[in-house]
Amino acid sequence: EVQLVQSGAEVKKPGESLRISCKGSGYTFSIYWISWVRQMPGKGLEWMGRIDPSDSYTNYNPSFQGHVTISADKSISTAYLQWSSLKASDSAMYYCLIPAAARWGQGTLVTVSS
Amino acid sequence: DIVMTQTPLSLSVTPGQPASISCKSSQSLLHSDGKTYLYWYLQKPGQPPQLLIYELSNRFSGVADRFSGSGSGTDFTLKISRVEADDVGVYYCMQSIQLPYTFGQGTKLEI
Repeated sequence: EVQLVQSGAEVKKPGESLRISCKGSGYTFSIYWISWVRQMPGKGLEWMGRIDPSDSYTNYNPSFQGHVTISADKSISTAYLQWSSLKASDSAMYYCLIPAAARWGQGTLVTVSS
Repeated sequence: DIVMTQTPLSLSVTPGQPASISCKSSQSLLHSDGKTYLYWYLQKPGQPPQLLIYELSNRFSGVADRFSGSGSGTDFTLKISRVEADDVGVYYCMQSIQLPYTFGQGTKLEI
């Protein structure tokens, strides 16, 4: 069974860096694109970008490009979403998903507060 | 970006009654391969979204046949023939014909 397991909740200060992870199991990691979606508190879903784990080719939503980096390490079946300098407005739930397999991770809650 | 517009934004339904949610896209979601890249998700409270309908009208595995998707081009509808208590949550449409993928604002269904 295809599964995506995300890393745990994070509490950070503005300006700090952060990397959250999404580990795939139950399938060949390289065959499915993995997307990341943001959900701000009480709000809807926003697609941030995606990565092809076979070659780490990425597509970004222009709204997020330059502020986040999506990467993957196929040797450990893990995708990442990272920030070099967090803002309070980055506080949200972040989901990884495989649209082609209809699988979502459980979500990682990121809280950025001074 | 393709704009996805859902109506209504909230819906209160009596169990056993039908419900319908509309989703309109700013561009056609019909691909040259003949598929329409429109998806419906349900996000139950405290959970990640779950896929209900893919490619316009195909029910995902395990989804009750009370759920159906229809439409064409830029106008789409999710119908629930008989609402049950477990159907509460927020329903989203999403397009994947063009990057960036975009979602509707969500429709909150209450019983």
